Amino acid sequence: DTAVSQTPKYLVTQMGNDKSIKCEQNLGHDTMYWYKQDSKKFLKIMFSYNNKELIINETVPNRFSPKSPDKAHLNLHINSLELGDSAVYFCASSPDRNYGYTFGSGTRLTVV
Amino acid sequence: GENVEQHPSTLSVQEGDSAVIKCTYSDSASNYFPWYKQELGKRPQLIIDIRSNVGEKKDQRIAVTLNKTAKHFSLHITETQPEDSAVYFCAASFYNQGGKLIFGQGTELSVKP
Repeated sequence: DTAVSQTPKYLVTQMGNDKSIKCEQNLGHDTMYWYKQDSKKFLKIMFSYNNKELIINETVPNRFSPKSPDKAHLNLHINSLELGDSAVYFCASSPDRNYGYTFGSGTRLTVV
Repeated sequence: GENVEQHPSTLSVQEGDSAVIKCTYSDSASNYFPWYKQELGKRPQLIIDIRSNVGEKKDQRIAVTLNKTAKHFSLHITETQPEDSAVYFCAASFYNQGGKLIFGQGTELSVKP
């Protein structure tokens, strides 16, 4: 049983398209996150939800919109994809704020 | 501002040697400091963590030390093995900003047999 699962694992799409990435955790955690890992391996936080409430919204273009239908799910929708959006996107969850994360397996997004 | 600096960016050691990775953080309110290991093409995995009320923590061949006054913490790996080769990330929680983790830039550790 995968603790934090993301789909799809790979996503190749053209510039200007809209795409979604889904994340689900079965750990009973209250907090979920989206991180972006660029080509230099740097992990940067994008969003965080605590019990379905948005608590962190970093300076991310508003083409990125997270949605949390319940505390076990956190999805990321991206409009009008650009070349610079190519990266690995990781979902993560933690029991609460100030605790270690369990990461999903990542989604490698390639915009061509 | 919120910042975590990590050094070195690359580290190469011989099997059996020790490896040390150092991090500094900017927010004196940070109280949680995890370390992650990321193998090529895989997810980051938590290997050890420390809270601000503890100065040192050990788990088999890995240990973490924390100096709150100087705002720095370090990862020590002893008796390194080739399977320790990976990218290691330190992180610090920013308590007053939703408790988010800010990660260091990563250290690529290579253990040569």
